[in-house]
Amino acid sequence: QVQLVESGGGVVQPGKSLRLSCAASGFTFSASTVHWVRQTPDKGLEWVAVMSPDGSLKYFADSVKGRFTISRDNSENTLYLQMNSLRIEDTAVYSCARQAAGTPRWYFDYWGLGTLVTVSS
Amino acid sequence: EIVLTQSPATLSVSPGERATLSCRASQSVSSNLAWYQQIPGQAPTLLIHDVSTRATGVPARFSGSGSGTEFTLTISSLQSEDFAVYYCQQYNSGVTFGPGTKVDLK
Repeated sequence: QVQLVESGGGVVQPGKSLRLSCAASGFTFSASTVHWVRQTPDKGLEWVAVMSPDGSLKYFADSVKGRFTISRDNSENTLYLQMNSLRIEDTAVYSCARQAAGTPRWYFDYWGLGTLVTVSS
Repeated sequence: EIVLTQSPATLSVSPGERATLSCRASQSVSSNLAWYQQIPGQAPTLLIHDVSTRATGVPARFSGSGSGTEFTLTISSLQSEDFAVYYCQQYNSGVTFGPGTKVDLK
């Protein structure tokens, strides 16, 4: 069955960096578009970033552009989110979500449980 | 950015009753609208995409309707496992989500 498992979250000071991982299984990762979405009790769900299956296309939310990068290792079935210059407002649960199979539209048929990132001094 | 507004914020329903949830967009999203269910402590699950197409395995009691800027998710006869938070999402221009409607026990 399809599984997405995030890791790498933790407590970090403002201005520092953190790298998140999303390990995928149960589907052909190398043929799938996978996104990062974050969630907080206050701001709700916020789309963060996406990378195309071959890594050639990347898009970011304005709120993280220039600070976050996205990458993937198709041989390891893993998606990454490198978060630099972290701010307090980046505190959230970060989840990876698979774009629904067979469609170019950005809705998500499987989500991971997420990993908590806390930015605090 | 397209802003989605959901109403009501909380909907109190008895099992077996009908639940009607609304989602309004700040500008037209055409038919590019999805609905998700999230049970506390779990990941969101896709219920509906393209306004009215049920995702694989979603029971027929869930239905979606609407167009342009006004959308509705209807649960025809609420079951105990349906008490959750429901989010709408537009993918017509980027991706944004509504703030959610919590369906709880009356």
